[in-house]
Amino acid sequence: DVKVTQSSRYLVKRTGEKVFLECVQDMDHENMFWYRQDPGLGLRLIYFSYDVKMKEKGDIPEGYSVSREKKERFSLILESASTNQTSMYLCATREALAKNIQYFGAGTRLSVL
Amino acid sequence: GENVEQHPSTLSVQEGDSAVIKCTYSDSASNYFPWYKQELGKRPQLIIDIRSNVGEKKDQRIAVTLNKTAKHFSLHITETQPEDSAVYFCAAVDSGNTPLVFGKGTRLSVIA
Repeated sequence: DVKVTQSSRYLVKRTGEKVFLECVQDMDHENMFWYRQDPGLGLRLIYFSYDVKMKEKGDIPEGYSVSREKKERFSLILESASTNQTSMYLCATREALAKNIQYFGAGTRLSVL
Repeated sequence: GENVEQHPSTLSVQEGDSAVIKCTYSDSASNYFPWYKQELGKRPQLIIDIRSNVGEKKDQRIAVTLNKTAKHFSLHITETQPEDSAVYFCAAVDSGNTPLVFGKGTRLSVIA
């Protein structure tokens, strides 16, 4: 079974804080993704990575950055958290080529006060 | 780039009835179309997928159909049960490393 583990289920932060969301996978998948999920807006892609130290912007990268120093770990960073970044954040992982099946983490519900 | 439209955004059916959710895509290069189910408070999970060389695929009460000419694909759930209540997402992607493009989701409610 694929395991995609997000470090926190719930997080409360203050405006202006630097926030780290961590995601770890155990299946040696090359591709990792960060989404945010808001009611009525579906799953919006923030950043993704095809390989270690590699990153690509998704549809809504503003206000976020990412880090992938090791293949199994993909971190999402909010440099200066704002209230409009209150959301559910989902990490996902997928094999390169092959079956294309994507697996999601359980999500982190972030509240920025 | 790819754009996926999903309809309806909400759907209510009586238990035992069928439910159909439709998606259209824009990029003719897309060739993999998965459907994800997200129950309340849980992560999205793959329930069925179809590739472009197949027109229909079934797994017990769920089926997906694909019309490549018209660029649309649909999820069919027969004999719905209360545990089918969830948000369903369709997605499309080509065979490379490009990210899945998701529809905005359909909230299905099955009324007992």
